[in-house]
This record gives sequence, C-alpha cells and structure tokens, in this order.
Amino acid sequence: KAGVTQTPRYLIKTRGQQVTLSCSPISGHRSVSWYQQTPGQGLQFLFEYFSETQRNKGNFPGRFSGRQFSNSRSEMNVSTLELGDSALYLCASSPRGVDTGELFFGEGSRLTVL
Amino acid sequence: AQSVTQLDSQVPVFEEAPVELRCNYSSSVSVYLFWYVQYPNQGLQLLLKYLSGSTLVKGINGFEAEFNKSQTSFHLRKPSVHISDTAEYFCAVSDLRRDDKIIFGKGTRLHILP
Repeated sequence: KAGVTQTPRYLIKTRGQQVTLSCSPISGHRSVSWYQQTPGQGLQFLFEYFSETQRNKGNFPGRFSGRQFSNSRSEMNVSTLELGDSALYLCASSPRGVDTGELFFGEGSRLTVL
Repeated sequence: AQSVTQLDSQVPVFEEAPVELRCNYSSSVSVYLFWYVQYPNQGLQLLLKYLSGSTLVKGINGFEAEFNKSQTSFHLRKPSVHISDTAEYFCAVSDLRRDDKIIFGKGTRLHILP
C-alpha cells in the first residue's frame, strides 16, 4: 500500500508570494490533516479535511487555506508569504480522523521564504 | 487550554541501557494520548496510543507507555535501546472537546551513545 505522498519536497519562495502544497493520502483514507513544524513552535495543527469538508482548524491566520478533492487528495495554500512561514509542512492521512490519532504522515514539504 | 509538556528536549543514553521520555499534559476529562517518532528527514510515525482501558500500552519497536491520570502523565519507556532508536519523539494529546483536535509536545531528541 502506497504511503502518503507530498509534493514538492523542497521549495524556495520570496516574501509576498504564494505557495501551494499537495498531499496524496493513503488509498481509502478520507481524512487529511496539515501541520506546520518549526524549531521554535514545534508541530502545530493547521486544519483537517474529511470527505472534502474542513472539519477542524487550528490557530493560524486566514492566509493559510486548504481544500480536498473528491479523490481525497488535498492542497494547502499560503498567500502573502512571510519569513516566519519558513517551515516543514507535514500532511497526514487517517482512516477515521485526527481525533483517533491514527495519523500516517508524509515526509513533508520544506518551505524556505527569503 | 490543553497543553503538552515534554520535560526534556534532549536525552542521551548508552546503547542497551533503559530510557524514559517524559510527557505531561494539562488535565482534561476526555483525552486520547499518543507517542510518535520522527527519524531524520522523515515524517512522523505512530509508536503507540492510549484511548481507554489498560493504562500500560505497548507499541512498536519495544516501546511502552503508562497513562497516569492522577499525575496527568504519559511517559514513554524502553528497557534496552538500540542505535536505530536515534530519533525525535513527540507526545500528543487529542482533546475531543476542542477544535484544534490534536496538540503535540515540542519533542525529545533521543541520542544513543555507543
């Protein structure tokens, strides 16, 4: 069974630009959640999508958004990038949702904002 | 607000020695508890989880954790570590009543000394 795939793995952007990250979950998993990992703040929950609907959202500004498609693939978008958005962005899929903690993580997309 | 505290940011231990990684969370009536491991340049992998029932939970790779409700702790233990256990370990709490459904500790980096 293929794991969670995130693309791109690495990217560099400049302040003010926007970025879109993609996540393909494990086949059959309907939940996709996104996390930001930084050395200072650790791992923080961004949001969860389940069957194309945003089910939960963490404490991040509206510049962070996402969506989920009918095939459960998900995209995360960050607009008007700031230096502080530099981080490893992790995606996780789950058969039943974040609540259960049964999360299967991808290897992440490392974003550098210059 | 729910919070998770991992008391040690780094733990050095000799190979084949026992190890305990500490985790405390703020009190709540209904929580699920998890430990995840992150190997270098990889996403997180679920080690074990406590949902209900027996307070001693066994996970993969010989790890176990004990849920202590009175001390609001969920410490991770392994009786004999191997060099391959070198990684960062994250404790996480899922609070079913909150919108930010899962909260991670800052992580503990385990260094195995030869």
